[in-house]
Amino acid sequence: GQQLNQSPQSMFIQEGEDVSMNCTSSSIFNTWLWYKQDPGEGPVLLIALYKAGELTSNGRLTAQFGITRKDSFLNISASIPSDVGIYFCAGRSYNNNDMRFGAGTRLTVKP
Amino acid sequence: NAGVTQTPKFQVLKTGQSMTLQCAQDMNHEYMSWYRQDPGMGLRLIHYSVGAGITDQGEVPNGYNVSRSTTEDFPLRLLSAAPSQTSVYFCASTPHRDRVDEQYFGPGTRLTVT
Repeated sequence: GQQLNQSPQSMFIQEGEDVSMNCTSSSIFNTWLWYKQDPGEGPVLLIALYKAGELTSNGRLTAQFGITRKDSFLNISASIPSDVGIYFCAGRSYNNNDMRFGAGTRLTVKP
Repeated sequence: NAGVTQTPKFQVLKTGQSMTLQCAQDMNHEYMSWYRQDPGMGLRLIHYSVGAGITDQGEVPNGYNVSRSTTEDFPLRLLSAAPSQTSVYFCASTPHRDRVDEQYFGPGTRLTVT
């Protein structure tokens, strides 16, 4: 099956720093999504990407759909304590009805 | 709208017991799905449904059954629980399978099988 490799696994940063995480796949996806999960809750969608090369922002978050359609990255600028959580990438290919998720990046922000 | 609701929030089962995890949504969404989340791994799709009366298998369907008799409800059944099924289970819904950007997740059910 399609595998998503997400890195890094965890990050410890100082408040105000920028953060970057990425996802790569062995297969092509036609949709990339980025989610955030807080403890004890379900994932919440942050950004959805639908076209190769697409760059989309949501406040301090920016995500890009890689040109090869096999990768995506998420940047968080000027991190704040409430950015703490686990960030997941997810991808969906045209012919599949299911979505595949990365293993997540656990972000810790020190005030 | 209550969104996606799941019950129970926590459950402990003994090996071999059966139970049903409930999932309901009040948004008239066509597409519903069940995922499991294990430590250090992403969510993995168990089963999904594109509409009432239609279900299909996802990535890890073994040991689980589903049915979709109404648009609102999508229960997940464990026929004979095993320790390997200890996990957090999430139900999700979206208006249509192509609108994955509108996928809403429930709060999860934490299941422990001893």
